[in-house]
Amino acid sequence: EDQVTQSPEALRLQEGESSSLNCSYTVSGLRGLFWYRQDPGKGPEFLFTLYSAGEEKEKERLKATLTKKESFLHITAPKPEDSATYLCAVRGNNAGNMLTFGGGTRLMVKP
Amino acid sequence: ETGVTQTPRHLVMGMTNKKSLKCEQHLGHNAMYWYKQSAKKPLELMFVYNFKEQTENNSVPSRFSPECPNSSHLFLHLHTLQPEDSALYLCASSHSGGGPEQFFGPGTRLTVL
Repeated sequence: EDQVTQSPEALRLQEGESSSLNCSYTVSGLRGLFWYRQDPGKGPEFLFTLYSAGEEKEKERLKATLTKKESFLHITAPKPEDSATYLCAVRGNNAGNMLTFGGGTRLMVKP
Repeated sequence: ETGVTQTPRHLVMGMTNKKSLKCEQHLGHNAMYWYKQSAKKPLELMFVYNFKEQTENNSVPSRFSPECPNSSHLFLHLHTLQPEDSALYLCASSHSGGGPEQFFGPGTRLTVL
């Protein structure tokens, strides 16, 4: 059974204070690791897909990296508008179209 | 309309009511999904449809009944719900098989009294 654990559950940063969110996973053959951003009361917004260890993707202040056991979402010089819950999900070989999600990290950036 | 839309955005119902949630995708996808999101819990997959055929039912109680008349529309029919069914219900779509990213709608906030 695929499993995803995200840490920390919540993270408070000052504006400009860089940090990283962690997503640890176990999966029977990774066919994709996905990062989403979710604002309160809204649906998750797709950010990145990573497929293999060593892969990196960037978008504005966000950078996602992948190893064989975990993924990190690095946030450089965050702004208050980066405040949201960040979700990680995996798709394994035996999962068809299905994704397994972690519990998310709630990020709060204070000005 | 673009992306994935859901109606209604908010719904309050009694335990004896019957209601339906609607989802429509404008992305040309052929797979659609229902998820439940409760406070303090990860997203829970409920149902998966590929090319209008249900391919996954994640042990969901029969008081939730999905319907997928075509690849663009998905419904979730609700009847005799329990207060613990109160949650955010999210619809998503993707290409079937190939492109794996799922794109989500804004959700329906359901409250069962």
